[in-house]
Amino acid sequence: AQKVTQAQTEISVVEKEDVTLDCVYETRDTTYYLFWYKQPPSGELVFLIRRNSFDEQNEISGRYSWNFQKSTSSFNFTITASQVVDSAVYFCALSTTGANSKLTFGKGITLSVRP
Amino acid sequence: DSGVTQTPKHLITATGQRVTLRCSPRSGDLSVYWYQQSLDQGLQFLIQYYNGEERAKGNILERFSAQQFPDLHSELNLSSLELGDSALYFCASSATGTDPIADEQFFGPGTRLTVL
Repeated sequence: AQKVTQAQTEISVVEKEDVTLDCVYETRDTTYYLFWYKQPPSGELVFLIRRNSFDEQNEISGRYSWNFQKSTSSFNFTITASQVVDSAVYFCALSTTGANSKLTFGKGITLSVRP
Repeated sequence: DSGVTQTPKHLITATGQRVTLRCSPRSGDLSVYWYQQSLDQGLQFLIQYYNGEERAKGNILERFSAQQFPDLHSELNLSSLELGDSALYFCASSATGTDPIADEQFFGPGTRLTVL
């Protein structure tokens, strides 16, 4: 069975602060994919990143960065210099491959960025 | 805009009723996925179709069913509705479905179902 835990439920920061959203996953598979999605107040789900289990290289995209550590089964997401537009619910998700693969989401973290 | 369309955007109905949610995938995508997002359960995978065939099943109730048509659009049918079925229902599509989860899934805007 696979599981994604986002222990933080709500985070509130002031604009320009850095914030890290934690994600811990569980799977017995050796090949898997990790994702982050953003759900702004408008409700749609926006893909942010996909990382496969063989690629532990950290990634930076503008103000966003991701830290993948297989040793701790974590895939954390950091927003640098947060902005009000970053306010959203952020979901971490895990998928395995194979016949009955599916995307398993964490409960989500509600991030509020105050001006 | 992801290219995935869902209709209707909002649906209000009564307990015991049956509704159909419709999804059109991105042009060329063969796989369609359905998800339910509720306050209790969070975002849950319901079912996946690939090129008209059921490919994977998640936490889908027996009262719910889905299908994918030859033109690749999909419908999710919810029957004998209960208050707890009130949720946001997302459809997503991906390109090949050969290794479907490795493909990026593009999500539609969702259908908000309210059961009164």
